[in-house]
Amino acid sequence: NAGVTQTPKFQVLKTGQSMTLQCAQDMNHEYMSWYRQDPGMGLRLIHYSVGAGITDQGEVPNGYNVSRSTTEDFPLRLLSAAPSQTSVYFCASSYGRLGGYTFGSGTRLTVV
Amino acid sequence: AQSVTQPDIHITVSEGASLELRCNYSYGATPYLFWYVQSPGQGLQLLLKYFSGDTLVQGIKGFEAEFKRSQSSFNLRKPSVHWSDAAEYFCAVGAMSDMRFGAGTRLTVKP
Repeated sequence: NAGVTQTPKFQVLKTGQSMTLQCAQDMNHEYMSWYRQDPGMGLRLIHYSVGAGITDQGEVPNGYNVSRSTTEDFPLRLLSAAPSQTSVYFCASSYGRLGGYTFGSGTRLTVV
Repeated sequence: AQSVTQPDIHITVSEGASLELRCNYSYGATPYLFWYVQSPGQGLQLLLKYFSGDTLVQGIKGFEAEFKRSQSSFNLRKPSVHWSDAAEYFCAVGAMSDMRFGAGTRLTVKP
């Protein structure tokens, strides 16, 4: 089992560029989430999904879009990258609403 | 609004010594509580979780945590630390739509 796979592992963007962070899980989990991790701040929820076709905003959604066309995939789109979006991004999935997450290994994004 | 406080940013313990990492939470309803561990350059791994029932919860890698409602705490413990336990530990509270993580406690293990 691959679990949760995130690509790319590292990315450098210029301010104003757009990109998509990919996330795929092979555990048939209904619930998927995107978090960003910043030093001294723990993880903050960006967007989440409770199933294919259903997404909602988390704590820090501005500047990010998501879609969930299949159970397996949950891509995160940065519309116009800003230096404030420099962070480590984690995708996570869970079988149920209360189940503990399985996390991907992260994408380290730098916006210059 | 719910929140999590991990009062200790960095803890150093000797190998073989006992460990307790503190976590205090604020949550309006019955809390769903989690501890995760993160090794450098890796994602987070679930150690244990508490939803209801027995307030002492056993997890993986020999860790346990005790839920104390009166103190709004969910402290993580291990009786004897191994060098491989060196990592960052995160406490979290809530369901997936409103989950909040603490800022983390970095554990260093001295030989």
